[in-house]
Amino acid sequence: SQKIEQNSEALNIQEGKTATLTCNYTNYSPAYLQWYRQDPGRGPVFLLLIRENEKEKRKERLKVTFDTTLKQSLFHITASQPADSATYLCALGGMDSSYKLIFGSGTRLLVRP
Amino acid sequence: GAVVSQHPSRVICKSGTSVKIECRSLDFQATTMFWYRQFPKKSLMLMATSNEGSKATYEQGVEKDKFLINHASLTLSTLTVTSAHPEDSSFYICSAFYRGVMNTEAFFGQGTRLTVV
Repeated sequence: SQKIEQNSEALNIQEGKTATLTCNYTNYSPAYLQWYRQDPGRGPVFLLLIRENEKEKRKERLKVTFDTTLKQSLFHITASQPADSATYLCALGGMDSSYKLIFGSGTRLLVRP
Repeated sequence: GAVVSQHPSRVICKSGTSVKIECRSLDFQATTMFWYRQFPKKSLMLMATSNEGSKATYEQGVEKDKFLINHASLTLSTLTVTSAHPEDSSFYICSAFYRGVMNTEAFFGQGTRLTVV
């Protein structure tokens, strides 16, 4: 069956450390993968997109890797801040001709001051 | 970035009534919008693809007659929950794709919290 898995348990880290979140998928062949941030009671906000032919993408303190052999993406936040506390969702796209996105359930990140 | 506005942000309705949720792309034209449903601490579940000027495409298991979608213009899609029941209570979110010169990106509305009593 098709699955997208993200750690369901919250990730609790100290301010200044690097947060690493994982997204694994099975039986999908995405052309790209996206990461979103979602705050409680709000819609997701786009952070980064990485395509299947890209290994790594960076944007300010964010870094995403994409391993299509392992079917895994890692999302890193360096020098984390309490304001980074939120739920982070990965989403797979480009599996057909539409712009459909299939989302993981998200991982909640808590950054302690 | 581009803005997608969703209205209302919260609505409480009685069982058996219908509720309409609007999704507008404020500064770009969106031929395709998507409607999602999200339960607490769960993933966004895609309900349907809203296509401007044509019928929506529903995901498996989503009742077309229950969740009516209308995409009458390039900037507006509406989702109507008909004959609402308490089990329809959820967080509904729309998204629209912005196709720029350099990138294609999904922008999400702020969501609508529906409570059916």
